[in-house]
Amino acid sequence: EPEVTQTPSHQVTQMGQEVILRCVPISNHLYFYWYRQILGQKVEFLVSFYNNEISEKSEIFDDQFSVERPDGSNFTLKIRSTKLEDSAMYFCASITRTGGETQYFGPGTRLLVL
Amino acid sequence: SQQGEEDPQALSIQEGENATMNCSYKTSINNLQWYRQNSGRGLVHLILIRSNEREKHSGRLRVTLDTSKKSSSLLITASRAADTASYFCATVVTSGTYKYIFGTGTRLKVLA
Repeated sequence: EPEVTQTPSHQVTQMGQEVILRCVPISNHLYFYWYRQILGQKVEFLVSFYNNEISEKSEIFDDQFSVERPDGSNFTLKIRSTKLEDSAMYFCASITRTGGETQYFGPGTRLLVL
Repeated sequence: SQQGEEDPQALSIQEGENATMNCSYKTSINNLQWYRQNSGRGLVHLILIRSNEREKHSGRLRVTLDTSKKSSSLLITASRAADTASYFCATVVTSGTYKYIFGTGTRLKVLA
């Protein structure tokens, strides 16, 4: 069964460094999402992406964040200058079409900012 | 309260018992979905119920939706130790695009 993959599974970085989190959504999916989950807390929406542009973003998704779909398969989340509070699990998800259907989640990247 | 709040926050039951989790929300929705998350892993979709549906079944899962009360419940019957996980409801709202808003989650522990 097709699945969403994410790399790396774990990333440790120093405060102020840039990180790029990578996701490969399911190939025929059209909408892509990034979420974050601080340990033990709720899953928070960051951004949705469709047709090569951001369709919606949350207040968390400030100028330090950016997303890109550089080659038609990868979907990346970049954090330009990481802060301690960026430490969290980051999940990528995708859906096949509009209509609010089932989201397929990747296994997540655990980011630790020191 | 926030869109998508589950209660209880934590639930501990014996294997074989039923587990019921509730989700409340505030705005009109397109549909409501339940997801499961094993510790440190991604979310896995369990079941989707549309706003014009009142009840849905899938295996040992039963979901109800009451749009007048803006609430949903997830019932897991005959629970197993393997059901131990966190369960999240997600409301899907339309605001130009489809936005998924996840609740706070219920941590279920099933004791063998």
